[in-house]
Amino acid sequence: DQQVKQNSPSLSVQEGRISILNCDYTNSMFDYFLWYKKYPAEGPTFLISISSIKDKNEDGRFTVFLNKSAKHLSLHIVPSQPGDSAVYFCAASEGGTSYGKLTFGQGTILTVHP
Amino acid sequence: NAGVMQNPRHLVRRRGQEARLRCSPMKGHSHVYWYRQLPEEGLKFMVYLQKENIIDESGMPKERFSAEFPKEGPSILRIQQVVRGDSAAYFCASSPQGARGNTIYFGEGSWLTVV
Repeated sequence: DQQVKQNSPSLSVQEGRISILNCDYTNSMFDYFLWYKKYPAEGPTFLISISSIKDKNEDGRFTVFLNKSAKHLSLHIVPSQPGDSAVYFCAASEGGTSYGKLTFGQGTILTVHP
Repeated sequence: NAGVMQNPRHLVRRRGQEARLRCSPMKGHSHVYWYRQLPEEGLKFMVYLQKENIIDESGMPKERFSAEFPKEGPSILRIQQVVRGDSAAYFCASSPQGARGNTIYFGEGSWLTVV
């Protein structure tokens, strides 16, 4: 049972344009959502997070939007840069003492072309 | 401040052997998590430990897998009698007490190949 889904395996974007990565979830108990970036042969690196009490969180070029009614979140990267090319994972947790117990999506490979 | 340290980075085992993966959390972190990433999949939670305690092992396979985080020394993920399906990347993460997601730091991973 895939509780967190990233339905786009890959995304290709031109440098300077917006990258939009999407994520859907099914577990209503999730109350904290995160995006991680991962390069091959390295561990995931935290990018940005959002609590379920918010619908938007912004950090520099990265913005995460949360639509609780649709159980959907998205990561916007503006402007996209070639160095952003990596695998992006959406993750969710139920909070409380379970913050570190993350449920990950399958990942989306982002390629930003110069 | 050193990050989460995992070793070995790469490990090759024959079917039936034992694999031991070690994780030293970041300084000051008392919570350790192990995740596994199978080829073409996302990371999957395995186990959550604090010093000398297993808090949540709901993601651990019922047999052959065990984990510990002793009072002294690194956390160990142990896989007995490995099979080809155990080939994966194993990531350790650590956090200070009461962590929210952005204070969870991942190590570089240990790649296990079973031949």
